[in-house]
Amino acid sequence: GNSVTQMEGPVTLSEEAFLTINCTYTATGYPSLFWYVQYPGEGLQLLLKATKADDKGSNKGFEATYRKETTSFHLEKGSVQVSDSAVYFCALRGGGTSYGKLTFGQGTILTVHP
Amino acid sequence: EAQVTQNPRYLITVTGKKLTVTCSQNMNHEYMSWYRQDPGLGLRQIYYSMNVEVTDKGDVPEGYKVSRKEKRNFPLILESPSPNQTSLYFCASSARGLTDTQYFGPGTRLTVL
Repeated sequence: GNSVTQMEGPVTLSEEAFLTINCTYTATGYPSLFWYVQYPGEGLQLLLKATKADDKGSNKGFEATYRKETTSFHLEKGSVQVSDSAVYFCALRGGGTSYGKLTFGQGTILTVHP
Repeated sequence: EAQVTQNPRYLITVTGKKLTVTCSQNMNHEYMSWYRQDPGLGLRQIYYSMNVEVTDKGDVPEGYKVSRKEKRNFPLILESPSPNQTSLYFCASSARGLTDTQYFGPGTRLTVL
């Protein structure tokens, strides 16, 4: 079946530091890939997505590129802010008949200090 | 205001006592889904629905039931809750599927004693 593996956290950074959160996946067919963010006490929000190989998703200064050759979708941001402190989830939607099924990674807690 | 609502927000119950968590969306979305969130495990999909009367299993459907009799509602039913179903539950919806933006409800924290 499909699976998503995220780098273990928590990740602690100073403001304006560079962020990378690694995400790799296992899937059959042609999956779509997502990053979701969860702020304290809230539900999840879609941060960005990529639906085919070599697509780059971007939003709010975050970027991730769908790399089929390395089965990866790493999240990056050039300069983090305190307001970016949250839990980040990588997720995968399978292809074919499982296009309604979403598989998440375990989440990475990010804390940004001033 | 476009939103997904869940009720109740908090629930403490006992083993074996049937319960229903309601989910409603006001955006005329076709796709709806239930997830549970547990520490260290991230989110796991329980059931999803591509449209009215169409439901399918996610990764962890055991012990849960759903129905989609009308477009706006997607209740989650626990016929005989057990302590291992203690979790934080989220309902979500999107216009047609997962490549459309999913809107999440505020969550329901369930404790089964």
